[in-house]
Amino acid sequence: QLQLQESGPGLVKPSETLSLTCSVSGDSIRSANYFWGWIRQPPGKGLEWIGNIYYTGTTYYNPSLESRVTMSVDTSQNHFSLRLSSVTASDTGVYYCARSNNAGWFVSWGQGTLVTVSS
Amino acid sequence: EIVMTQSPDTLSVSPGERATLSCRASQSVSSNLAWYQQKPGQAPRLLISGGSTRATGIPARFSGSGSGTEFTLTISSLQSEDFAVYYCQQYISWPPLTFGGGTKVEVK
Repeated sequence: QLQLQESGPGLVKPSETLSLTCSVSGDSIRSANYFWGWIRQPPGKGLEWIGNIYYTGTTYYNPSLESRVTMSVDTSQNHFSLRLSSVTASDTGVYYCARSNNAGWFVSWGQGTLVTVSS
Repeated sequence: EIVMTQSPDTLSVSPGERATLSCRASQSVSSNLAWYQQKPGQAPRLLISGGSTRATGIPARFSGSGSGTEFTLTISSLQSEDFAVYYCQQYISWPPLTFGGGTKVEVK
């Protein structure tokens, strides 16, 4: 059974870089035909897709965040990561990692981790 | 970018009644639409993909219909565990993948 678990600091200062890791268990991150993605949700608001990465390192980012986002994958550790630079209070929210198929819908999700941007 | 618009924002329904939720795309997404359910404090759960195909383990009371720009999620007889927020998502053209703003189904 696939499980995804987000980890990282729950508090980030404004202008700094948010860094999260998603650990994958129950399947190899090298599985073909799947993307690994990040989605976020500000408090009380809807879902916003951040980006997807394939195990080869190919990335697709939301254009609205592309200038600040970097995603990477570590196949030896079976995890993938998110870095979001120059954060502001509007980046506060729950960050989910998830697996999507090639088409782009998300079947498996992590439980989410709350990241607060505050000094 | 394809903009997804859901209506209504909130739907008040009594248990056992039918709920009908709408999702509109700013341009045709064919049948490349998914629906998710999210309960408080939980991650979203996939209900439907391809506009109408239920995901594994999803009860038959959930049904999806539509294509192009207009889609509907119907819950035929609301159970207590169905009160939640529902999101639609298009995947025909990305990046970016885009979600609707959500519809909250609450107890009337």
